Amino acid sequence: QKEVEQNSGPLSVPEGAIASLNCTYSDRGSQSFFWYRQYSGKSPELIMFIYSNGDKEDGRFTAQLNKASQYVSLLIRDSQPSDSATYLCAVNKPHTGNQFYFGTGTSLTVIP
Amino acid sequence: EPEVTQTPSHQVTQMGQEVILRCVPISNHLYFYWYRQILGQKVEFLVSFYNNEISEKSEIFDDQFSVERPDGSNFTLKIRSTKLEDSAMYFCASSEIPEYPDTQYFGPGTRLTVL
Repeated sequence: QKEVEQNSGPLSVPEGAIASLNCTYSDRGSQSFFWYRQYSGKSPELIMFIYSNGDKEDGRFTAQLNKASQYVSLLIRDSQPSDSATYLCAVNKPHTGNQFYFGTGTSLTVIP
Repeated sequence: EPEVTQTPSHQVTQMGQEVILRCVPISNHLYFYWYRQILGQKVEFLVSFYNNEISEKSEIFDDQFSVERPDGSNFTLKIRSTKLEDSAMYFCASSEIPEYPDTQYFGPGTRLTVL
């Protein structure tokens, strides 16, 4: 069983639409969840993190966490062509120190 | 804005050779990490380092790998005898506090190519 699972995509949305990216994790005890954006050939860039059940908003981005369903999502409102990238979900499991477990990422293309 | 830096950006080496990848973490950060990403695959944890010693390491981080903080600013990853399968992007990351959980900031990476 994979630690963190994401649909690889590609996900295509028109400019200005809402992009919805999903992530599930296997360890029910996981407590912190991170979304990173990775452009091709570049390093992961932190978008936001979430620790508590519910929604957390930061500008055009909203992270949603449902621990009962072991599900994390990222919504991108008013998508822009510059949002085209691979989005990585990372989970910090309990009792494993500070190491992050990453999903394989979802490729997003925003069509002008 | 402070950032993690890494050198070199690209390293080409022959199989069996030793390589050292260098990182300068964000200055007030205390926890340091190495991750790798084989082309087309997910980012994988290698090792974490705190208070001048390894905190956690993965199965990937075998005896061929070592880390060091030789001075107050640099953090290095050494691969003693490189293999073809070591070809990957290697990312250094750092975080500010050693408490769980914490946010990790990644450097630009070093692309290692083993021929």
